[in-house]
Amino acid sequence: RKEVEQDPGPFNVPEGATVAFNCTYSNSASQSFFWYRQDCRKEPKLLMSVYSSGNEDGRFTAQLNRASQYISLLIRDSKLSDSATYLCVVPLNNNDMRFGAGTRLTVKP
Amino acid sequence: DVKVTQSSRYLVKRTGEKVFLECVQDMDHENMFWYRQDPGLGLRLIYFSYDVKMKEKGDIPEGYSVSREKKERFSLILESASTNQTSMYLCASSLWGGNEQYFGPGTRLTVT
Repeated sequence: RKEVEQDPGPFNVPEGATVAFNCTYSNSASQSFFWYRQDCRKEPKLLMSVYSSGNEDGRFTAQLNRASQYISLLIRDSKLSDSATYLCVVPLNNNDMRFGAGTRLTVKP
Repeated sequence: DVKVTQSSRYLVKRTGEKVFLECVQDMDHENMFWYRQDPGLGLRLIYFSYDVKMKEKGDIPEGYSVSREKKERFSLILESASTNQTSMYLCASSLWGGNEQYFGPGTRLTVT
């Protein structure tokens, strides 16, 4: 199994839709997880952290399933501005993190 | 606001040239990282450093070296550039033990 694996997409959804991405990881010792957002031709930026079972921030919900070793990102009421690539990130230790290849989302009017 | 800057946004070099990519951060972060990003492969770690003069190999260090003489600066060196090193190079920094990495804007390197 790859260290971090994501469905590359693309996901094309209409405005207002709910969309979910999954990410699987191989390091069972990882304690915290992250979702980064990367806009086209821009650098990645932290979107959400997941330290326990889940985290919610407005329209965004990140959930963690340790038994099955996956994390998910749910976006409700999608906006055009949500169009981006979403990167799943899994720490190997405190200072070294592994990035997934990313899931591309396009929200259409 | 954390700021990570990279010396060039776009760079074109010839095969065999020595290439220097510079990265500077202004938040006194201990950790600094160099990644390359290629379509379908995501970010792959080349090298990272957790202190001045310290360096650790990442997943794909072959063909690269790094230098960290000052805490705020982390340089990536391509000793003899090859066409398969054409890529987007991203620098990042973070606090020791910290989780969030802050990225620079990237350098798109083309080797012809």
